[in-house]
Amino acid sequence: DGGITQSPKYLFRKEGQNVTLSCEQNLNHDAMYWYRQDPGQGLRLIYYSQIVNDFQKGDIAEGYSVSREKKESFPLTVTSAQKNPTAFYLCASSHSDSYYNEQFFGPGTRLTVL
Amino acid sequence: SQKIEQNSEALNIQEGKTATLTCNYTNYSPAYLQWYRQDPGRGPVFLLLIRENEKEKRKERLKVTFDTTLKQSLFHITASQPADSATYLCALAVNSGYALNFGKGTSLLVTP
Repeated sequence: DGGITQSPKYLFRKEGQNVTLSCEQNLNHDAMYWYRQDPGQGLRLIYYSQIVNDFQKGDIAEGYSVSREKKESFPLTVTSAQKNPTAFYLCASSHSDSYYNEQFFGPGTRLTVL
Repeated sequence: SQKIEQNSEALNIQEGKTATLTCNYTNYSPAYLQWYRQDPGRGPVFLLLIRENEKEKRKERLKVTFDTTLKQSLFHITASQPADSATYLCALAVNSGYALNFGKGTSLLVTP
């Protein structure tokens, strides 16, 4: 089954701790994305990567970091510098051979800071 | 600054009627616009993409229009069903690239 997976589904962390959210895809997509969604809000772009070993900041990159060492994987680290990390985090992927490509989303990780 | 605006108020309609959702944008010159559906606690699912040179696109009971002069897209669901109840998001490309900016979405509730 092709798809995009995120783990864990729910994550709790104490203030001051870094935490890494996993995102894996087996769709052979070059491009991957991380979004954050707060209650009643749309998706806001954190980081995106169009190719291995390259990534760009989105609108709200402060307090987050990413890596793209493999095509299939795009982990997101929420650092202690992120002031309001409690949110629903969504990972997505798409082809990059054309601009007219839809994004495929994972099921999301709900992060709660205690 | 770039903005994507969708009706913040929920849309309540009766089963069988046509639902029409609006997406307005400013400071974009989009080559295309996308619509997604999101159910509570889940990731969005792609529905339709319409290009700037297309006035209208259809897929089963869904229809999207795109007016680059008005800077607006309309999303229609005909013969709506309770299963169509969800939040619908429109999205535009960031800097004409691959990443997307999303509107806040409009919640649709279809009652029997």
